[in-house]
Amino acid sequence: DAKTTQPTSMDCAEGRAANLPCNHSTISGNEYVYWYRQIHSQGPQYIIHGLKNNETNEMASLIITEDRKSSTLILPHATLRDTAVYYCIVRVATGGFKTIFGAGTRLFVKA
Amino acid sequence: NAGVTQTPKFRILKIGQSMTLQCTQDMNHNYMYWYRQDPGMGLKLIYYSVGAGITDKGEVPNGYNVSRSTTEDFPLRLELAAPSQTSVYFCASTDQQGTNTNTGELFFGEGSRLTVL
Repeated sequence: DAKTTQPTSMDCAEGRAANLPCNHSTISGNEYVYWYRQIHSQGPQYIIHGLKNNETNEMASLIITEDRKSSTLILPHATLRDTAVYYCIVRVATGGFKTIFGAGTRLFVKA
Repeated sequence: NAGVTQTPKFRILKIGQSMTLQCTQDMNHNYMYWYRQDPGMGLKLIYYSVGAGITDKGEVPNGYNVSRSTTEDFPLRLELAAPSQTSVYFCASTDQQGTNTNTGELFFGEGSRLTVL
């Protein structure tokens, strides 16, 4: 499975967009990009995923570069409750697969 | 659906003791995982299973054993507990994704906090 690289931490002002980058330069053609977040010490929560097209749901948007080597998770209007650790992972779609988490990005949303 | 249920939520062990962390899911998922998370760190994969009777090692399997006799249950066994196994343990499950109705997301339990003294 491809590895991902994320910044250790980021700050964002409340109400502004939070843009969280992820590098996955060794991603293969059948691997999807998934984003999760973990608030305090709860279990991680799914946010969004995509293969090569940009995706949007009620929580966030996912922008994947054309070469698929990097992606950006966008929280359009960050709130204090979005303060969390955000994990970017890549995974194959079918078959037996490991799901490896990196260290993630710790996002601090400040008032 | 209860989702993924882990027991116990908290446990203190003495060095050398053994115990089993229980994990059960009611979503009929084929894939199940055990992760550990040390303070301030990310999740590390211990073992995973792609179906009943099939298990495989993850990143940090030493000191642990698993079994998968049913689709629902995936217990994690700690033999001869050591202080280095003090951590929060998360169980997760998922199924194959790719369809419009299945995102293939991982569903996590609430975690089991283990302290080895």
